[in-house]
Amino acid sequence: AQSVAQPEDQVNVAEGNPLTVKCTYSVSGNPYLFWYVQYPNRGLQFLLKYITGDNLVKGSYGFEAEFNKSQTSFHLKKPSALVSDSALYFCAVRDTGGYQKVTFGTGTKLQVIP
Amino acid sequence: NAGVTQTPKFQVLKTGQSMTLQCAQDMNHEYMSWYRQDPGMGLRLIHYSVGAGITDQGEVPNGYNVSRSTTEDFPLRLLSAAPSQTSVYFCASSPRGTGGSGANVLTFGAGSRLTVL
Repeated sequence: AQSVAQPEDQVNVAEGNPLTVKCTYSVSGNPYLFWYVQYPNRGLQFLLKYITGDNLVKGSYGFEAEFNKSQTSFHLKKPSALVSDSALYFCAVRDTGGYQKVTFGTGTKLQVIP
Repeated sequence: NAGVTQTPKFQVLKTGQSMTLQCAQDMNHEYMSWYRQDPGMGLRLIHYSVGAGITDQGEVPNGYNVSRSTTEDFPLRLLSAAPSQTSVYFCASSPRGTGGSGANVLTFGAGSRLTVL
């Protein structure tokens, strides 16, 4: 069965510093990987995805993620954090089989400190 | 486009009552799904559908029913509500993954907050 692990419940970073939110996955075959963000009292919004190709994926709001097949990781990164980046971040993996079942991690709360 | 529309936004039920959470999308997406969000548990998949007439169970299907009679609608039915079903429910849809920037990307509704007393 496919699964995603987000080992940190919360990440605190100072404004202007680089940030990393960690994600590891388990899936049979080649993974489709995603990051979504949830701002307070809002629905989820898509940030970026990895399907195939370059291991470094760029997405919305200056975020990027690095796919590492040997470490089965897909960490989310941003070179310089903004206070407005404070939100709940979810990593997700999609079954590459016939059915598009998408499994989410437990989420990581990012707090950017002014 | 309205995207994914969920109704109601808020609902309070008593234990044992039944209700239906409505979900509609106007993007002609084949794939639709229901998740529940609970603190510390992330998003857990309840049921999903890859097209009209086809549904399957996710991680936590017990106590919930779904049907997909049209491409647009994917209602979630609570058969006999229990306090453990107190949660925020999200409906999401995506196009079939055949390529393009939108392929496989989920569009979420605004959520439905359910409280079971």
